Amino acid sequence: LAKTTQPISMDSYEGQEVNITCSHNNIATNDYITWYQQFPSQGPRFIIQGYKTKVTNEVASLFIPADRKSSTLSLPRVSLSDTAVYYCLVGYNTDKLIFGTGTRLQVFP
Amino acid sequence: DAGVIQSPRHEVTEMGQEVTLRCKPISGHNSLFWYRQTMMRGLELLIYFNNNVPIDDSGMPEDRFSAKMPNASFSTLKIQPSEPRDSAVYFCASNPGGGPGSPLHFGNGTRLTVT
Repeated sequence: LAKTTQPISMDSYEGQEVNITCSHNNIATNDYITWYQQFPSQGPRFIIQGYKTKVTNEVASLFIPADRKSSTLSLPRVSLSDTAVYYCLVGYNTDKLIFGTGTRLQVFP
Repeated sequence: DAGVIQSPRHEVTEMGQEVTLRCKPISGHNSLFWYRQTMMRGLELLIYFNNNVPIDDSGMPEDRFSAKMPNASFSTLKIQPSEPRDSAVYFCASNPGGGPGSPLHFGNGTRLTVT
């Protein structure tokens, strides 16, 4: 199973772009890269998913280099409400999907 | 779509009592996962089912924990007897399964306190 490594915490200010990088050196050919966001007292919520290159939706962008050994979640112009824990997961949908420690993002006014 | 529904939202019980947590996955989803979250250990996968069949229960802490999925729309996680160290938030999640890259859909969790 691919193990992921993320920074434990990050700080930012409102309006800035935030980039969170996840390392997954032993990613398998079939694995997808999925990012989740978790607010206190709630379950994790799907943000974005990709397999290779770049994916963009209304919330974020996901950049995946050609070797797929890492990925970067990009949050444009963060607001206070983006303060949360962000998790990177790597796997195929029927795998036992393992969450790492996540990155605690704190956005300041 | 109502999403994944968990009950109860909060449970407070005394050590030694039996606790049953319930989960209704999203209709049509073939895979169901039980996670436990604590400050110390983060999000831990306890067990997951595919088409109502337990696939991997290696994350279940010990024999005091058991999980069932009698049909596609219902699952339970039982702790008997409960201990204070079982205090945590327990999440249920489901996904469609059967194809690559299906994201997990989580419920809002059950906060269990064992005194």
